[in-house]
Amino acid sequence: GAGVSQSPSNKVTEKGKDVELRCDPISGHTALYWYRQSLGQGLEFLIYFQGNSAPDKSGLPSDRFSAERTGGSVSTLTIQRTQQEDSAVYLCASSLGTGGLAFFGQGTRLTVV
Amino acid sequence: QQPVQSPQAVILREGEDAVINCSSSKALYSVHWYRQKHGEAPVFLMILLKGGEQKGHEKISASFNEKKQQSSLYLTASQLSYSGTYFCGTARTSGGGADGLTFGKGTHLIIQP
Repeated sequence: GAGVSQSPSNKVTEKGKDVELRCDPISGHTALYWYRQSLGQGLEFLIYFQGNSAPDKSGLPSDRFSAERTGGSVSTLTIQRTQQEDSAVYLCASSLGTGGLAFFGQGTRLTVV
Repeated sequence: QQPVQSPQAVILREGEDAVINCSSSKALYSVHWYRQKHGEAPVFLMILLKGGEQKGHEKISASFNEKKQQSSLYLTASQLSYSGTYFCGTARTSGGGADGLTFGKGTHLIIQP
């Protein structure tokens, strides 16, 4: 596609439920990043995929968070047993390589009630 | 390792200049600058690769001092449209390894008429 696409744009879920957030990167981009941004805060790195290398999961806040990237393209971020502190905007970005400029999607606003 | 941005916030009158700094404790391959307006995704401004280059884009320019592991963003004769939060992102490699793009906490810039 022309840009990074994320879905859904908004998600309201009950505490304890699982959610899946989807990211479609720009075609041909080998690097894909997930970030979390809480209200008024900076970008918190979650996980990074680069080609066929093992993902860098160092930013995942707990074992309730996981992500996969199928076929080197679409990525899904899964949050199990959601908590209220998981409420944030989840941003996905992709780039041609780690050193290349990254394009961000519009994000998924997750609200856990 | 998250880069450190300074200042955290700055308020200017239209037409004044601003400098935003970004420093890292690790050797860097590239520095990326983004601007985010309230409720929107971050938008790419420019990327600087190691080599100590300086780049310019209209009245916004940036420098990258590889030895000092620092980058500065210069906003001259600021316009109201420059208001937003500025993030620097750093990458330690050009790719091929599990190393993500890490962002600072952001600098809030408010331009007043």
